Amino acid sequence: RKEVEQDPGPFNVPEGATVAFNCTYSNSASQSFFWYRQDCRKEPKLLMSVYSSGNEDGRFTAQLNRASQYISLLIRDSKLSDSATYLCVVTLYSSASKIIFGSGTRLSIRP
Amino acid sequence: DAGVIQSPRHEVTEMGQEVTLRCKPISGHNSLFWYRQTMMRGLELLIYFNNNVPIDDSGMPEDRFSAKMPNASFSTLKIQPSEPRDSAVYFCASSFQGGNQPQHFGDGTRLSIL
Repeated sequence: RKEVEQDPGPFNVPEGATVAFNCTYSNSASQSFFWYRQDCRKEPKLLMSVYSSGNEDGRFTAQLNRASQYISLLIRDSKLSDSATYLCVVTLYSSASKIIFGSGTRLSIRP
Repeated sequence: DAGVIQSPRHEVTEMGQEVTLRCKPISGHNSLFWYRQTMMRGLELLIYFNNNVPIDDSGMPEDRFSAKMPNASFSTLKIQPSEPRDSAVYFCASSFQGGNQPQHFGDGTRLSIL
């Protein structure tokens, strides 16, 4: 089993729709969680950190479920510009931080 | 504000040649990361430094790869000798304090080994 797993998609949804995807992690000692977006042939860019209590940034909401070991990203009122690959990142602390990127979920918003 | 600066943006070279990738982290960041991204394997962490010291190099593929960080504002990733399977996009990223803080990525170096 991979340490961090994401549904690769693609998710193809109409503009204005709400879309959500999850990222599961295998190590219960995981400490920090992030969502990044990556556009085609570009570098990953931080979308948002994920806090234990859940957090919202405009149309984006991130949740952490430690009991079931997953994080989620919800996008409301999706825009064409939301089309990208969304990567989850999990950091595990041991003697040295271990950082694991998921393989990404592709999202395509259609007009 | 200047972000993470990588050079070169593109590199095409023949197998067997030495390749050197360069990175300048964001000023004030004390952690630096090198990643490799391919379609098959996704984004893989190769090595990261904290305060110029390598902390985790378990992702470095083999002895042909080496990374250095001689000071807080510069790092190199070298491949010698290069092989076609090393073709990938190599990203450098930096953060304020290790993996528990958001990382800022450079534009990447697109490497092709013929």
